[in-house]
Amino acid sequence: DAGVTQSPTHLIKTRGQQVTLRCSPKSGHDTVSWYQQALGQGPQFIFQYYEEEERQRGNFPDRFSGHQFPNYSSELNVNALLLGDSALYLCASSLGGHLEAFFGQGTRLTVV
Amino acid sequence: AQSVSQHNHHVILSEAASLELGCNYSYGGTVNLFWYVQYPGQHLQLLLKYFSGDPLVKGIKGFEAEFIKSKFSFNLRKPSVQWSDTAEYFCAVILNRDDKIIFGKGTRLHILP
Repeated sequence: DAGVTQSPTHLIKTRGQQVTLRCSPKSGHDTVSWYQQALGQGPQFIFQYYEEEERQRGNFPDRFSGHQFPNYSSELNVNALLLGDSALYLCASSLGGHLEAFFGQGTRLTVV
Repeated sequence: AQSVSQHNHHVILSEAASLELGCNYSYGGTVNLFWYVQYPGQHLQLLLKYFSGDPLVKGIKGFEAEFIKSKFSFNLRKPSVQWSDTAEYFCAVILNRDDKIIFGKGTRLHILP
């Protein structure tokens, strides 16, 4: 049973560029959440997707957008990258109505 | 806004020492509490959780945590640490089902062999 998988594992982008990160949830899970973990900080909630809709959103600008597909996989898009967007981006999946979430290994994004 | 505070950012212990990592949250209602661990190069893993019932909860690898409602605390403990416990530990809270997870800033634990 595959856990949460994220791709790519590492990425280097230039300021102003756009990036797309991908996540496949744990088998049977229908809810995907994205978190940003800056160096020395705890993960910060970006948004959550359920039934292909954004259900909740954290305090992130509109440059951060996402999508959930019918197979529950999800993408995180970041436009007009800033140096401050450099971080580990974590995807977490859960089953709707349940409290426990499972995390992927993350995508390390470096903006130069 | 709700928040989670972890008292120690870096902790260094020798093997066999006892461990206690502090965690406080700021929310007066019902909370669901977690400790996650992130070993070097690995994903965040759930160490233990508290939803209701016995305030002393036991997790994997000999860890336990105690929920003290009057102190808004959920401290993590282990009586005797091992070198393999070297990792970063995050305290977290969820207020409602399907809600976001609110994390503390983490405590980096280094165990000396």
